Parts: sequence; C-alpha cells; structure tokens
Amino acid sequence: DGGITQSPKYLFRKEGQNVTLSCEQNLNHDAMYWYRQDPGQGLRLIYYSQIVNDFQKGDIAEGYSVSREKKESFPLTVTSAQKNPTAFYLCASSTTGNQPQHFGDGTRLSIL
Amino acid sequence: SQQGEEDPQALSIQEGENATMNCSYKTSINNLQWYRQNSGRGLVHLILIRSNEREKHSGRLRVTLDTSKKSSSLLITASRAADTASYFCATDGSAGGGNKLTFGTGTQLKVEL
Repeated sequence: DGGITQSPKYLFRKEGQNVTLSCEQNLNHDAMYWYRQDPGQGLRLIYYSQIVNDFQKGDIAEGYSVSREKKESFPLTVTSAQKNPTAFYLCASSTTGNQPQHFGDGTRLSIL
Repeated sequence: SQQGEEDPQALSIQEGENATMNCSYKTSINNLQWYRQNSGRGLVHLILIRSNEREKHSGRLRVTLDTSKKSSSLLITASRAADTASYFCATDGSAGGGNKLTFGTGTQLKVEL
C-alpha cells in the first residue's frame, strides 16, 4: 500500500536537545512538506521541498531544519533553538502542479 | 500565517441532518481544498475546487466557491456519526504550480446518534 509513514508516533525532548522526526513516502511524489499543529488550531507550514536536494522555508521555520537527500525521505530536526516545540507535527507529500496533499499520521512531540 | 477563517468553530448536529461549514480567505487563489482530520490523526483530502469552478460534488459532499467574496462552503448531506471530525479548508495561491497550502483554523463537527 502506498502512503506516508511518520515515526515515532510520540517523542519526548529534554531541554537543550535536538530531536529528529522521520517522514518516508512511497507514493513517488516530488514534493514534501512539514506542518506544525497546535491544539485547536490549523496547520502552519514549517518547510517544504519540491525536488530532491532543494527545500524552502515556510511560515515558521525558525528553530527547525530539514534535509532532502532522497526523494522518499524528508526528515525534520527540531533544534534546541525552538523554545516552544510541544506540538503535533504532520508530514505530507504531493505531485507538483496544484494537487492535493497526502498526510502521514503525525508525531506528537512533548518536552520532559 | 493562516489565511482562512472557518465558521462555525464548532458544530453539533443529529445524525441525518445536513452540516454546512464556511471558509473565508484573503488573497487570490489557484484552488481551494477541503480536508478532514479525525482526532489524533493526519488529514485526509476530501475535495479540490479550482478558481474557475463554482460548485463541485463528491458523494455526500458539495463544495461551493465564490471568488468575488473570497469564500467557500462545504455541505455534508445526511450526516452520519462517522462524519465526526475536524474539517479544514486550505487555499493554494502559489505561483508556478508550487502547491503551497495555507490552512484555515478548522470546524469541529460532532454528529450525534
């Protein structure tokens, strides 16, 4: 079955620690996205990538970093510079050309 | 930034009734999309309506788009308990097929038996 896999489902971060969230897709999509969702809110775009080895900042990129070394993978690192990292993180992918996005089931990040 | 606002924020109806959710946005768009999110899960795409379309249907879903008023509505007919979820509109205003979406704040729909 084609889809997007996010891992882990739950993640805990200590103060001053970087953590990396995994996102893998087997849909052969060129574009991938990372969103942050806070309770009762919509999604805000962190980073997106339209092609391998290229990515752009979204609306709230500060304190986050990404890489896109392979078409199927788009990991997100939440750095210690992100002072309020507790949130639900969603990864998505799509073909290019104004098409719907397909989402993973998210990673919930909390602070210890 | 969140371009859209959805109205109402929460909606509670009985099974079998229709549910209408509204979305307003601020800038010009290529298309508008509606997504559904069950609690603690990812979003699922429901329907996409392009800026040159006024109405679109998919099963029990009907979406309208009024670009002059920068608004859209999602109608779910004959609702079921399984329709209980949050519903989000998302606008795509990106140039050159960039597919960068801006999401609204969502409507929480509860369908009671």
